[in-house]
Amino acid sequence: EVQLVESGGGLVQPGRSLKLSCAASGFTFSNYYMAWVRQAPTKGLEWVASITNSGGSTYYRDSVKGRFTISRDNAKSTLYLQMDSLRSEDTATYYCTRDRHWFAYWGQGTLVTVSS
Amino acid sequence: DIQMTQSPASLSASLEEIVTITCKASQGIDDYLSWYQQKPGKSPQLLIYDATSLADGVPSRFSGSRSGTQYSLKISRPQVDDSGIYYCLQSYSTPLTFGSGTKLEIK
Repeated sequence: EVQLVESGGGLVQPGRSLKLSCAASGFTFSNYYMAWVRQAPTKGLEWVASITNSGGSTYYRDSVKGRFTISRDNAKSTLYLQMDSLRSEDTATYYCTRDRHWFAYWGQGTLVTVSS
Repeated sequence: DIQMTQSPASLSASLEEIVTITCKASQGIDDYLSWYQQKPGKSPQLLIYDATSLADGVPSRFSGSRSGTQYSLKISRPQVDDSGIYYCLQSYSTPLTFGSGTKLEIK
């Protein structure tokens, strides 16, 4: 059974950093693109970043480019999202998802709240 | 960036109706279009991928189609459990973009 389990969310002050993790199991992690999708409270879904299966290429939405870094450790079957210079508008539930062109598997999400 | 214009924003339907939700892409996306259902407090669930392919375990009353750059999700004889928010997603190019969502209530 495919499982994606996010962790690392919490309350953080504007301008500070946070690192999210997503532990994957039930599939060969190194074979798949992975992505982060977020959802602000009461808002719609928003793609944040994707990474190729090898980790050699990464893709970001403009609003997080230069502040967020997606990475992966295939040996540990874990996806990461390093979030720096956080802003109030980054407040959201962050979901870890699998694949490149459609997202068949999602984690339960981890809530990030950016507030002073 | 490719814009996905989703409509309607909300709708209410009965058990006997056919529900149709549409997403119009601002340019061609080569059928890299998927549909998701999300229920309150839950993660989204994949319904349709590649515009017309039914995801594993999804009831056959759900179907997807395309006409030009307009993509549609149809629910035939919806069930009460189909209530939720539906989103389309284009994955033809980055940034991947979701539609704004359709809130569906089945009476």
